Amino acid sequence: AQTVTQSQPEMSVQEAETVTLSCTYDTSESNYYLFWYKQPPSRQMILVIRQEAYKQQNATENRFSVNFQKAAKSFSLKISDSQLGDTAMYFCAFMNSGGSNYKLTFGKGTLLTVNP
Amino acid sequence: GAVVSQHPSRVICKSGTSVKIECRSLDFQATTMFWYRQFPKQSLMLMATSNEGSKATYEQGVEKDKFLINHASLTLSTLTVTSAHPEDSSFYICSASSPRTTYEQYFGPGTRLTVT
Repeated sequence: AQTVTQSQPEMSVQEAETVTLSCTYDTSESNYYLFWYKQPPSRQMILVIRQEAYKQQNATENRFSVNFQKAAKSFSLKISDSQLGDTAMYFCAFMNSGGSNYKLTFGKGTLLTVNP
Repeated sequence: GAVVSQHPSRVICKSGTSVKIECRSLDFQATTMFWYRQFPKQSLMLMATSNEGSKATYEQGVEKDKFLINHASLTLSTLTVTSAHPEDSSFYICSASSPRTTYEQYFGPGTRLTVT
């Protein structure tokens, strides 16, 4: 079974600064996807970024980028130029792409607060 | 983009009654839908996976007779909490995936269930 570990329950950052959220995972699979989801106070889950394990290039979406280290099974999220609207719970998630039902396994989450 | 709705957004019911939560994919056909439960300040816990026209697959520890899932069409899945008790009070979230993008789950806005 896969496990996803987020070791930072809470983090804070000043507006306009950069913050990195950590995520490690454990799997014996070779083909999989990794995700970062954001859950703001509205509790709507929002996809932030996705990484395919077979791709060596780190995914980037505007101010959000990942550092994917496959050998180390590490998948950190960097948020640049933090904005007040980035305040949310962030969940790292794993999906085995070799399976038939594409289930997501979530980490426990990191609560990020962006301070003005 | 793919939109998933849930109804109701909030529901209060009395102990011993049943309550049904609907999950709809509004602009795509969802061959697979997922139901999650989320306690305050915790992560999402997968309850079950449902494929259109077949029985749901429940995660270990989830009572299938208590949480009835029906995926009758490609756009609708329902979760019925039977004989609800206060400990069933939680936030329930559904997600859906399409055949074209099986690696991506589109999340509904969630339903807050309170059992009194």
